[in-house]
Amino acid sequence: KQEVTQIPAALSVPEGENLVLNCSFTDSAIYNLQWFRQDPGKGLTSLLLIQSSQREQTSGRLNASLDKSSGRSTLYIAASQPGDSATYLCAVRIQGAQKLVFGQGTRLTINP
Amino acid sequence: EAGVAQSPRYKIIEKRQSVAFWCNPISGHATLYWYQQILGQGPKLLIQFQNNGVVDDSQLPKDRFSAERLKGVDSTLKIQPAKLEDSAVYLCASSLGHGRTYEQYFGPGTRLTVT
Repeated sequence: KQEVTQIPAALSVPEGENLVLNCSFTDSAIYNLQWFRQDPGKGLTSLLLIQSSQREQTSGRLNASLDKSSGRSTLYIAASQPGDSATYLCAVRIQGAQKLVFGQGTRLTINP
Repeated sequence: EAGVAQSPRYKIIEKRQSVAFWCNPISGHATLYWYQQILGQGPKLLIQFQNNGVVDDSQLPKDRFSAERLKGVDSTLKIQPAKLEDSAVYLCASSLGHGRTYEQYFGPGTRLTVT
């Protein structure tokens, strides 16, 4: 059974810092891995999707890496801003199934 | 392009009552998903529809939860009777298809509180 873990559960950093969020998964047989952002009272917004054959994806100040063999992914946020405050979720799409398996999320707070 | 719509946004009921949630997916999206997100946890898939057929309902508590997708468009999720542990946000998502390359788009969710 695939399990996805995100550490830390919460993170608070001052504005302007670079930071890394971690995601680990137990079964390396995945199609892809996706990072989402969730704002309070809102649904999930997809940030980056990495296919199993890829090592990383970049979008603006965000960079996500994938090491399938070790079951790890990181989301790097450069020059953090207060608007980046949200919960960040990673999810894997496991082979042989169409559903996403989510981690529990990291609640990020950027202090002005 | 309009996103995934859900209603109501909030609902408070007493245990043993029934409740229904509605979802309208993005136009043209064949696949629809219902997720349950308990506070502090990631979303968990309850049921997945492809058009109006069920693809996966392995984690749906079928003794109290039911879902339907009439005409392959809108969907309703019902809980009867509700328990305290059903308090959660219920998220609806849709995608063009159910293959691995199709991205899921999420609605704002319905926050259910069972007292």
